[in-house]
Amino acid sequence: DTGVSQDPRHKITKRGQNVTFRCDPISEHNRLYWYRQTLGQGPEFLTYFQNEAQLEKSRLLSDRFSAERPKGSFSTLEIQRTEQGDSAMYLCARGTIEKEKLFFGSGTQLSVL
Amino acid sequence: DQQVKQNSPSLSVQEGRISILNCDYTNSMFDYFLWYKKYPAEGPTFLISISSIKDKNEDGRFTVFLNKSAKHLSLHIVPSQPGDSAVYFCAAASFYGGGGSNYKLTFGKGTLLTVNP
Repeated sequence: DTGVSQDPRHKITKRGQNVTFRCDPISEHNRLYWYRQTLGQGPEFLTYFQNEAQLEKSRLLSDRFSAERPKGSFSTLEIQRTEQGDSAMYLCARGTIEKEKLFFGSGTQLSVL
Repeated sequence: DQQVKQNSPSLSVQEGRISILNCDYTNSMFDYFLWYKKYPAEGPTFLISISSIKDKNEDGRFTVFLNKSAKHLSLHIVPSQPGDSAVYFCAAASFYGGGGSNYKLTFGKGTLLTVNP
């Protein structure tokens, strides 16, 4: 158990629809990350929170993407007007005492038809 | 520009033999290097890490070697077991911001390891 729960595990949507994913880390650390993984690629960094502050966003995070972490606990990632290119596994990770180590959740697999 | 490269998409070994997975990087600012293991439809699982000030770290059957001058690291699994079959990702940690408290991981594309019984 990595201490990171993601919901839903799978999401199928039609192009143009909005989707929202949720990540619930155990509360022992204040750092939270979102990554995206497409087929044949490694996880790619999307954004990073320290407590409720979003400290960095990748250029991969277009205007259609928004992430929040109210109260510094759970986080949500919303994609508006989904496109087929958004199909990927979206991974949430929490920081640990060892700064360089991240623990990942099981991910949300998004399929845009 | 890919900063972490895993040039072998796949590797097949016999059970009991050694598996060697390789990784090269280009950014000399990376401070830590990590290996993650991933099964299909699951998130990556942390395996082992190494600081840039060390050249070797061992944990049971897993050993990571770092050659800073060559910007190369490798993961050795001895002996390999069928349960080791998975995709292995090499990752590097880069720190930024004040006090070095902000950082992120950059991943390679992964190597699919198959251990045959």
